[in-house]
Amino acid sequence: GESVGLHLPTLSVQEGDNSIINCAYSNSASDYFIWYKQESGKGPQFIIDIRSNMDKRQGQRVTVLLNKTVKHLSLQIAATQPGDSAVYFCAETQAGYALNFGKGTSLLVTP
Amino acid sequence: DTEVTQTPKHLVMGMTNKKSLKCEQHMGHRAMYWYKQKAKKPPELMFVYSYEKLSINESVPSRFSPECPNSSLLNLHLHALQPEDSALYLCASSQLGGSYEQYFGPGTRLTVT
Repeated sequence: GESVGLHLPTLSVQEGDNSIINCAYSNSASDYFIWYKQESGKGPQFIIDIRSNMDKRQGQRVTVLLNKTVKHLSLQIAATQPGDSAVYFCAETQAGYALNFGKGTSLLVTP
Repeated sequence: DTEVTQTPKHLVMGMTNKKSLKCEQHMGHRAMYWYKQKAKKPPELMFVYSYEKLSINESVPSRFSPECPNSSLLNLHLHALQPEDSALYLCASSQLGGSYEQYFGPGTRLTVT
C-alpha cells in the first residue's frame, strides 16, 4: 500500500541567508523542469523554469541549476525573506503536458 | 489576466451527493488540467484537456467525470465519492506548445462525509 509521509522534508533558514532546495528526478528523457511555490491554502505558483539544453537560469533572487548527468535540480533563493516560507515543488515533463511533481520541501524562514 | 479561478472554495458533500467543481481561465490557454492534492503531498494529475478534448485520463475512477464546455471552462462532476476522495482539487491551464508552464487556480477544498 501507499506509505504515508507525515512530514515533508523541511529546510529552516534565517532571514537574509541563502536557501538551496534540491530535487532529484528519474526520467533522463525529461526536457523541461519547473519550480513551484505553494503557500498554505493556495495553489502552486510558478517561480522559474529551465529547459534541458541549459544548466543554469536566473530570475529575480532565484537561480535554478540543472545537472542532467546526475539528474539533479536545485533552486537557490538569495537573501531569503519571511514571505518565502512555503512548500517548494520541482516538476518535470518530457515534451508533454503531464507534469510530474517531486515530493516537495517545506522552507521555513526564521527572523 | 493571468488568473485561474475555481469555485467553490470549499465543498462538503455526502457520499450520495452529486456536485460539480468549476474552473475558468481567460488567458487563451488551450490545455486545461485537473489535479488532486492530499495534505503534505504533491499534486497528482487526474485529467488533461487539449483543444477541449480529453487527452489524458490517469486511470481516475468513474465517480469523477470531467467536462470542458469551451476553451475557458473546465468542470469536474462528482458522484458517489468516498471519504478518501477528500482533498484539494486544483485546476491549471497552459499554452499548447512553447512554454509548458501551468498556471494553477487556488483549488477547491473537498470534504466527503
